[in-house]
Order: sequence, then structure tokens, then C-alpha cells
Amino acid sequence: IAGITQAPTSQILAAGRRMTLRCTQDMRHNAMYWYRQDLGLGLRLIHYSNTAGTTGKGEVPDGYSVSRANTDDFPLTLASAVPSQTSVYFCASSASPGNQPQHFGDGTRLSIL
Amino acid sequence: QKEVEQNSGPLSVPEGAIASLNCTYSDRGSQSFFWYRQYSGKSPELIMFIYSNGDKEDGRFTAQLNKASQYVSLLIRDSQPSDSATYLCAVWSYSGAGSYQLTFGKGTKLSVIP
Repeated sequence: IAGITQAPTSQILAAGRRMTLRCTQDMRHNAMYWYRQDLGLGLRLIHYSNTAGTTGKGEVPDGYSVSRANTDDFPLTLASAVPSQTSVYFCASSASPGNQPQHFGDGTRLSIL
Repeated sequence: QKEVEQNSGPLSVPEGAIASLNCTYSDRGSQSFFWYRQYSGKSPELIMFIYSNGDKEDGRFTAQLNKASQYVSLLIRDSQPSDSATYLCAVWSYSGAGSYQLTFGKGTKLSVIP
């Protein structure tokens, strides 16, 4: 079934540890995005990639990094996790960058202790 | 910072009624508008998008856009208990430094009462 796969589904992590959230899509979409969703704050864009080989910063990029080595994969890395990064993380993609509908993965629930 | 505002709700409607969800946005230059449905503990699911002023219908859903007043709404006809969810309004707008992004409202929680 075509779509976006995120892993892990959930994770509990000690503060200071490094963590990579994985995102893979099989729709050959050019653009991919990472959001975090927090109660009372809604969905906020962390980083995006308009095409393989390029990335950009969103609204809340501090403490996170991304890479886009190929079309399908867009991992999000927390170099040294802090409790304020406890959130639900969603990866999304769209056929092209711009005003195209974005489709979301099932999310990763991350708790930093 | 571009803003997208929604009433948080909860909005309660009886089964079979019309649910009306509203959204206002601050960027007058915004061109594209999206409605997502999110069930508790699940990911957002795209249900409608609209680019032009007026109405766009898809089954029981109608999106309405008024760019002059900077609001977009979603009507759900013949509401069903399965429509109970949080509805997110999202607006594609300029975010500065030559880039654009999708800005989400915080969502309106809809409860359809059997």
C-alpha cells in the first residue's frame, strides 16, 4: 500500500541521547516535511525538503537536523534530546513543493525523560 | 508570523445536522487552503482543499472560501457520529526569506451526538 512509513511508532528516550526518527515514502513525492504536534500549540513545521539533496528550516528547527539523500527517505535527528522535545512527530509529503496537498504518516510519539 | 485561527470547541451537533467549522487567516496573500480531519491518537487526514473563492463540494463536505474576508469554512451535512474528530484548517502562505509553508490552526473539536 502506497504511503508514508514512520519508525519507531513510539519511543522513550533519556535526555542527552541521540535519536533518529525515520520516514520513508513510496509515492515518489518530491517534497517532504517534518512537523511536531503539541497540545495547545498545534502542528508546527520543523524542517522541510523541496527535493532530494535540499533541505530548509521551518518554524521550530532548533535541536533538530535532517538530510535528504534520496527521494524516498527523510530522517529527522535529535542530536542531544531534551525534555522539551517530548512530542508527537509527523512526517508528511507532497507531490511537489508549493501549494499541494500534504499527506501524513502515522506519527512517532517521543518521550524524553 | 502568519496566523490561522479556529475556535477550539468543542462544537456539538446532533446526528443528521449540519456542522459548520470556521477558520480565519492573517496573510491576505494566501492562495491555498486545506481541511484535515484528525481522530484522537491518529494522524491528520486530508479531506478538502480549495484555491478559489466560492464553494467546493465533495460528498457531504463543502469548503467555502472568501478571500476578501480572509475566512474559510467547512460544512459537514448529515453529520454522523463517525465525523467526531478534530478538524484542522491549514493555509499555504509566505513565511519569509523566499519560502512558503503550510500553517495550521490549532483545530476545532467536533462532537456529533447520536
